Amino acid sequence: AQKITQTQPGMFVQEKEAVTLDCTYDTSDPSYGLFWYKQPSSGEMIFLIYQGSYDQQNATEGRYSLNFQKARKSANLVISASQLGDSAMYFCAMKGGSQGNLIFGKGTKLSVKP
Amino acid sequence: DTGVSQNPRHKITKRGQNVTFRCDPISEHNRLYWYRQTLGQGPEFLTYFQNEAQLEKSRLLSDRFSAERPKGSFSTLEIQRTEQGDSAMYLCASSLGLAGQETQYFGPGTRLLVL
Repeated sequence: AQKITQTQPGMFVQEKEAVTLDCTYDTSDPSYGLFWYKQPSSGEMIFLIYQGSYDQQNATEGRYSLNFQKARKSANLVISASQLGDSAMYFCAMKGGSQGNLIFGKGTKLSVKP
Repeated sequence: DTGVSQNPRHKITKRGQNVTFRCDPISEHNRLYWYRQTLGQGPEFLTYFQNEAQLEKSRLLSDRFSAERPKGSFSTLEIQRTEQGDSAMYLCASSLGLAGQETQYFGPGTRLLVL
């Protein structure tokens, strides 16, 4: 069965510092995709970054980068230069190659301190 | 705004009533997904459509739930005889459905409260 694990219920980071949010996954599919979404208190899920299982390089999108370690089955999100607006819930998700839906972790609540 | 839209944004109903939610996907997206999110949890998959065909349904989608996408554009999710346990955020997402372009983009959600 496919599973996403986020072990950090909450994290604090000082403004302008970098923070790493952990995500481990389990799947038997050789082809899969890993996603990170941000959910502010308003409720909308905002897509941040995607990593394919066959991608050779770690994905980057502006201040977001994904530290993909395939052998360890981890896909940690790194946010550089944190901003107050980064305070939100962050969800890691996976899509197996043969299925349509995303499987989500329980999320990590990030709080950025001024 | 060309993103995913959902209506209504909030719905309060009494137990036993029927409710219907609407989702309008990004116009060129042929896949449409419904998820449910309860407090403190990540979204859980309910069902998805490829154009007008409903391709997959979760075991979470009981007989009281039905979803349609009649013309392959907007979709509706109906809950009959609502129960208090149905109180949740209902999220809709859409994607292009092409290999390598599988990112799902979400709407703002519909918050349902069953009294």
